[in-house]
Amino acid sequence: DAKTTQPTSMDCAEGRAANLPCNHSTISGNEYVYWYRQIHSQGPQYIIHGLKNNETNEMASLIITEDRKSSTLILPHATLRDTAVYYCIVRAKYNNNDMRFGAGTRLTVKP
Amino acid sequence: EAGVAQSPRYKIIEKRQSVAFWCNPISGHATLYWYQQILGQGPKLLIQFQNNGVVDDSQLPKDRFSAERLKGVDSTLKIQPAKLEDSAVYLCASSPWTEPAYEQYFGPGTRLTVT
Repeated sequence: DAKTTQPTSMDCAEGRAANLPCNHSTISGNEYVYWYRQIHSQGPQYIIHGLKNNETNEMASLIITEDRKSSTLILPHATLRDTAVYYCIVRAKYNNNDMRFGAGTRLTVKP
Repeated sequence: EAGVAQSPRYKIIEKRQSVAFWCNPISGHATLYWYQQILGQGPKLLIQFQNNGVVDDSQLPKDRFSAERLKGVDSTLKIQPAKLEDSAVYLCASSPWTEPAYEQYFGPGTRLTVT
């Protein structure tokens, strides 16, 4: 079973920030939070990952709470091409086969 | 850099027939994965290879599914005989066994319909 809980769906207006929450209350000390997304008819795409500090890259920002029990993926200026299913996954960094996808959050960016 | 290649993209077969999927990972990636994604669900790992050895096949239905990765590069996944519940997208992914993120790179998938 997936170790995370995400809302089933969310909407966001184009040009606005999209904030996608994820609960991972049973995360252990050696587990990272990873985010992937899957655009329709494509394979999942890596977005970002973090351990306890906030992270930012060219795609998104990841905010992890101090107790590490939840996190938020932020797409700062959502576009229509960001419409996808977003998966939050927790796994030990060196346990490369422990990638358990849940159902994810279906984000719809609307014009 | 070329991505993960998969073929065919679509396949329709009748139940009890056999089918095979092919995957060519990103050049130099030591680890290769096969996932099954049923409509409306997230991908589920079927098998993981490290070079040409199996690391994890605990969720592979071994009575009908088989996979191989000869020479540690390309891989094939076979289903024989297929059942209706095997209708899904079969995703192949690869990753380098290096820092920093061990992220997996996915191919476009093969959509299998069993009728």
